[in-house]
Amino acid sequence: GENVEQHPSTLSVQEGDSAVIKCTYSDSASNYFPWYKQELGKRPQLIIDIRSNVGEKKDQRIAVTLNKTAKHFSLHITETQPEDSAVYFCAAGNSGGSNYKLTFGKGTLLTVNP
Amino acid sequence: EAGVAQSPRYKIIEKRQSVAFWCNPISGHATLYWYQQILGQGPKLLIQFQNNGVVDDSQLPKDRFSAERLKGVDSTLKIQPAKLEDSAVYLCASSLVGDLYGYTFGSGTRLTVV
Repeated sequence: GENVEQHPSTLSVQEGDSAVIKCTYSDSASNYFPWYKQELGKRPQLIIDIRSNVGEKKDQRIAVTLNKTAKHFSLHITETQPEDSAVYFCAAGNSGGSNYKLTFGKGTLLTVNP
Repeated sequence: EAGVAQSPRYKIIEKRQSVAFWCNPISGHATLYWYQQILGQGPKLLIQFQNNGVVDDSQLPKDRFSAERLKGVDSTLKIQPAKLEDSAVYLCASSLVGDLYGYTFGSGTRLTVV
């Protein structure tokens, strides 16, 4: 089955700096890579996703890049703000295939210091 | 659009007791997933249903965990008997068949086993 590794497990940045979180996956059949933000005591919320036919996607201050050959994808947050502090999870899955479920990384605790 | 509904939000039980969680997916979502999220870790898939059939239960500890989705809509996850290590948040998610793009989580049930 799919295995997703996520690094780092914790990340502390100063407000206004950039933050980068990296993930690798094992199953070459995976074609969908979402990122979720989870605040304390709340459900994971989708913040951005990328499909395997795209190399990069941006949405305001967040962007995701995908390298299918190397089987890794990254989340980039620019101009970080204190409200970006949360746990971020990457995930991978095969949308449209027979094994259509998401496998999650272990998460990254991002702390943005004012 | 109503989201994924879960109840209860919190549950505290003693070890060796039994407990049940309920989930009602988004209307029209034929696929339902139960995840276990232990503190500090990413969600781990326990079981995946498509309508009332099981697609994947390879990570469900079947000696103590059971789940059903009799009418292909709402679902119940049961633990009997509970162990201390079952303390976690149990998240339910739903999606359209084969489609991960609309993957939506419920608010979860926080279980504490004492």
